[in-house]
Amino acid sequence: AQRVTQPEKLLSVFKGAPVELKCNYSYSGSPELFWYVQYSRQRLQLLLRHISRESIKGFTADLNKGETSFHLKKPFAQEEDSAMYYCALKDAGGTSYGKLTFGQGTILTVHP
Amino acid sequence: DSGVTQTPKHLITATGQRVTLRCSPRSGDLSVYWYQQSLDQGLQFLIQYYNGEERAKGNILERFSAQQFPDLHSELNLSSLELGDSALYFCASSPGGRRTFGELFFGEGSRLTVL
Repeated sequence: AQRVTQPEKLLSVFKGAPVELKCNYSYSGSPELFWYVQYSRQRLQLLLRHISRESIKGFTADLNKGETSFHLKKPFAQEEDSAMYYCALKDAGGTSYGKLTFGQGTILTVHP
Repeated sequence: DSGVTQTPKHLITATGQRVTLRCSPRSGDLSVYWYQQSLDQGLQFLIQYYNGEERAKGNILERFSAQQFPDLHSELNLSSLELGDSALYFCASSPGGRRTFGELFFGEGSRLTVL
């Protein structure tokens, strides 16, 4: 069964410091991974997907198949990055198109 | 607003009762997903519908049921409620089929409190 693990429930950093939110997955096939973010009083929304190899709001995430990880990184955190972050794995099997398995989430707080 | 809409936003009820949560997907989206968010378990997948048919089932209790109607809105029915059912219930939608590239569009959620 596929599984996503985010080991840190809470993460605090100071503004300007690097930040890394950890995500590990368990999946037998070729994974499609995503990071979703929920800012205060806003809806959960897509931040980035690994297949796009993009940088959004200064965040990047690299898929490491050897370590089955998809950590989210940003070199210089900003206060507006404070939010709940979810790592998600797409279920590509069977008749379920698009179902995502989410991790437990990490609440990031960036202090001034 | 053509995004995902969920009603009610807040609901307080007693143990043993039954409630219905409603979700209208984005215009044109055929897939609807229900998730339960709790502090200790994160976002748990409950069930998915595509164009009226059930497509995937997660950790959904037998006391819970859902359906998607011909107009594509969906309802999640929770019965014989227990204190542990208190949570935020999210609905999400996507185009569905092979046009889904991983982006789900979420509603604001329905916060259920069981007393």
